[in-house]
Amino acid sequence: NAGVMQNPRHLVRRRGQEARLRCSPVKGHSHVYWYRQLPEEGLKFMVYLQKENIIDESGMPKERFSAEFPKEGPSILRIQQVVRGDSAAYFCASSSGRGSLKQYFGPGTRLLVL
Amino acid sequence: QQQVKQSPQSLIVQKGGISIINCAYENTAFDYFPWYQQFPGKGPALLIAIRPDVSEKKEGRFTISFNKSAKQFSLHIMDSQPGDSATYFCAAGGTPLTFGTGTRLQVTL
Repeated sequence: NAGVMQNPRHLVRRRGQEARLRCSPVKGHSHVYWYRQLPEEGLKFMVYLQKENIIDESGMPKERFSAEFPKEGPSILRIQQVVRGDSAAYFCASSSGRGSLKQYFGPGTRLLVL
Repeated sequence: QQQVKQSPQSLIVQKGGISIINCAYENTAFDYFPWYQQFPGKGPALLIAIRPDVSEKKEGRFTISFNKSAKQFSLHIMDSQPGDSATYFCAAGGTPLTFGTGTRLQVTL
């Protein structure tokens, strides 16, 4: 399967714990985007990364959220000290760059904060 | 303003009918307009996309109509089928994409 992979698919955390979401882009893609989707709502952009660089984090909450896309390995979205309002579906998308704007989405991670 | 407004919120169409979903954007710098289809519990799947240098693009039963002067674009699904029942999102960009709030389409027999 050459598509975007995300894990875990479901994640349950208690308030105050850390959530770590992983995204492996389409093979050959070097651009990764993270979006958050609340129930019955559209997708909200969070952050755009290229390998080892954060390009645009204008949609990222200022505190508790961080993202990385290392030279080797998946992209990670990290949420520290989770609160109930963080409960949502988090989607990763990737694109090849090189002038292409097409973004391909993964299946998402559904985070539930108890 | 980065908003993309999508309507209707929900739509019921009979099998064989035409489904029409509309979107309007505000940022004239946007130059890429994709539509995504999302089934429950799944990630959005790219359906069809258009750039502003053309007014219409057709792929199978799916057509995008684009009106640059009005800053509007729409998705038409011809011969709608029950398998088309899903939530459809329009988006506008470059990078990053700004998404509409979604239209839940139900195609009845």
